[in-house]
Amino acid sequence: GAVVSQHPSWVICKSGTSVKIECRSLDFQATTMFWYRQFPKQSLMLMATSNEGSKATYEQGVEKDKFLINHASLTLSTLTVTSAHPEDSSFYICSARDELADSYNEQFFGPGTRLTVL
Amino acid sequence: AQSVAQPEDQVNVAEGNPLTVKCTYSVSGNPYLFWYVQYPNRGLQFLLKYITGDNLVKGSYGFEAEFNKSQTSFHLKKPSALVSDSALYFCAVRGQGSGNTGKLIFGQGTTLQVKP
Repeated sequence: GAVVSQHPSWVICKSGTSVKIECRSLDFQATTMFWYRQFPKQSLMLMATSNEGSKATYEQGVEKDKFLINHASLTLSTLTVTSAHPEDSSFYICSARDELADSYNEQFFGPGTRLTVL
Repeated sequence: AQSVAQPEDQVNVAEGNPLTVKCTYSVSGNPYLFWYVQYPNRGLQFLLKYITGDNLVKGSYGFEAEFNKSQTSFHLKKPSALVSDSALYFCAVRGQGSGNTGKLIFGQGTTLQVKP
């Protein structure tokens, strides 16, 4: 149980285009999901907390108009990188909490999405 | 402010020898502590956690960690390292208490290299 998927696993796009990344909790409901960004050989940087049915909470320094987050259902959160530029190239990872389970303190991570902007 | 420190960028161990990956934390109140492992181009896999109870926590793949409140540490250990343990390891903390959003704070990661 507690599986989180991401789609796509990798994407290459042209500068100026928008890219949508999906994060799904496959066998549990998640009112809260988290989006992270990771640069090569570096730690995970929390970008935002995605809240089902309400606005996401962004970390300081993260542009909310650049990184649009939608959490329209209890099993799906999406991150859209708008007008992507090469500096947005990174590994994006989502996670979710199963708040109804005994493991509610844990976050379960997706496999990540590698974004390359040309 | 909450923080996690992993003082070693890399740990090198010979296969069969014990390994330790260090982690210290700073959090208001009692901590929830986690260890995750990441293989190249993959997401994070959960290894173990400390919430409450015994200070020695056993997790996946033979790993264990000891919560030391006085030293604010949560070092990851394994009695006998395998080459397949080579990966990037992250320590993470979240604080307890009201108003906590559940977000994790990660250390900078430690690369474990196990040599045959």
